[in-house]
Amino acid sequence: GAVVSQHPSRVICKSGTSVKIECRSLDFQATTMFWYRQFPKKSLMLMATSNEGSKATYEQGVEKDKFLINHASLTLSTLTVTSAHPEDSSFYICSARDLGTGGPLDEQFFGPGTRLTVL
Amino acid sequence: AQSVTQLGSHVSVSEGALVLLRCNYSSSVPPYLFWYVQYPNQGLQLLLKYTSAATLVKGINGFEAEFKKSETSFHLTKPSAHMSDAAEYFCAVSDFSGTYKYIFGTGTRLKVLA
Repeated sequence: GAVVSQHPSRVICKSGTSVKIECRSLDFQATTMFWYRQFPKKSLMLMATSNEGSKATYEQGVEKDKFLINHASLTLSTLTVTSAHPEDSSFYICSARDLGTGGPLDEQFFGPGTRLTVL
Repeated sequence: AQSVTQLGSHVSVSEGALVLLRCNYSSSVPPYLFWYVQYPNQGLQLLLKYTSAATLVKGINGFEAEFKKSETSFHLTKPSAHMSDAAEYFCAVSDFSGTYKYIFGTGTRLKVLA
């Protein structure tokens, strides 16, 4: 099956610093990638939809300036948490949609997640 | 708008017993439904998906789910639980916006007792 990687898998940073998380589709092209945030023992909350070559679409309540998303190529999307604070600590998961038919049957493949801890 | 509801945030079963995880959906159009499993500190793995081809869907690891339109349900079952099935399970529906983003349920944590 298709593989999506995330880097880093874990990151610890100081409050006020910025952290970049990469999401890569390793063996397929993805025009659309999604970024989720998962709180402990909670479901996945969609943060934004990332489209290659265009601006990301953020879900209601997600700060665009706080969570910068760049989808520079068909295989790479990045999420930058700017001026991170302890409340940003969470598990961040990305997914990528195979180009496929462009319809609802195109499967999303999920990355292994990145654990962010802000001290 | 599409949505899914997972009844029971925690389910415990004995090893070898039937696993039943419940998912009900709400959709104004024929839905596309998914079940994912998540092991601790890992991403999500697709168990199975319903795409209107057949109402009984077989997935990996011995899991299956039956789409019941009359009950708006898509419950996940496995005849005999294994210790390795202990994980978090998420039901999801694909919305019909341009990006077909997934809307996830709140998850059910399955515990398998020896």
